[in-house]
Amino acid sequence: DTGVSQDPRHKITKRGQNVTFRCDPISEHNRLYWYRQTLGQGPEFLTYFQNEAQLEKSRLLSDRFSAERPKGSFSTLEIQRTEQGDSAMYLCASSLTGVRYEQFFGPGTRLTVL
Amino acid sequence: AQSVTQLGSHVSVSEGALVLLRCNYSSSVPPYLFWYVQYPNQGLQLLLKYTTGATLVKGINGFEAEFKKSETSFHLTKPSAHMSDAAEYFCAVSERGNQGGKLIFGQGTELSVKP
Repeated sequence: DTGVSQDPRHKITKRGQNVTFRCDPISEHNRLYWYRQTLGQGPEFLTYFQNEAQLEKSRLLSDRFSAERPKGSFSTLEIQRTEQGDSAMYLCASSLTGVRYEQFFGPGTRLTVL
Repeated sequence: AQSVTQLGSHVSVSEGALVLLRCNYSSSVPPYLFWYVQYPNQGLQLLLKYTTGATLVKGINGFEAEFKKSETSFHLTKPSAHMSDAAEYFCAVSERGNQGGKLIFGQGTELSVKP
């Protein structure tokens, strides 16, 4: 069973550095979502793709954040010039449009910015 | 803007007791409704969902939830708690008409189960 995978699982970086996370969705899923979860809070929506098109971005997403999904398969989320406030769990989810409306989540990437 | 409120950030029950976790949403048009569970250092797992049809929905691990439009609620229940139910539970909604778009989550309820 190949679920949603994320890499790396943990990332520690120094303030000001750039980081990139990868998400591999379930293979037939055409939608891919990124969420951010801080301690004690529910996940917050960041952005999502349908195939390779980025359909929505949260207003919370500063211009230091960029996401891509080339060829409509895996996706990357890059954070430039990281800040301590970026420390969080970054969750990826995928779904198949209109099919049971379920999103399947990966294990997340925990980012710590020192 | 759509919002989700989960009453009680921490709920503690005894093993074998009823579990009740509360969720209310804000929109006038009923959204799609979901409950997810998160175990420590893991991603989220879908427990159950309501999209249309019967308002009492059953999910995995003996959980169920009832959609009540008049109360804008979707409370999660389980008749008898097990130790393995200890986890964080999130209620979430997504807007109808977008074939399952972004999820808006509540702040979560941590469930503790006492022996």
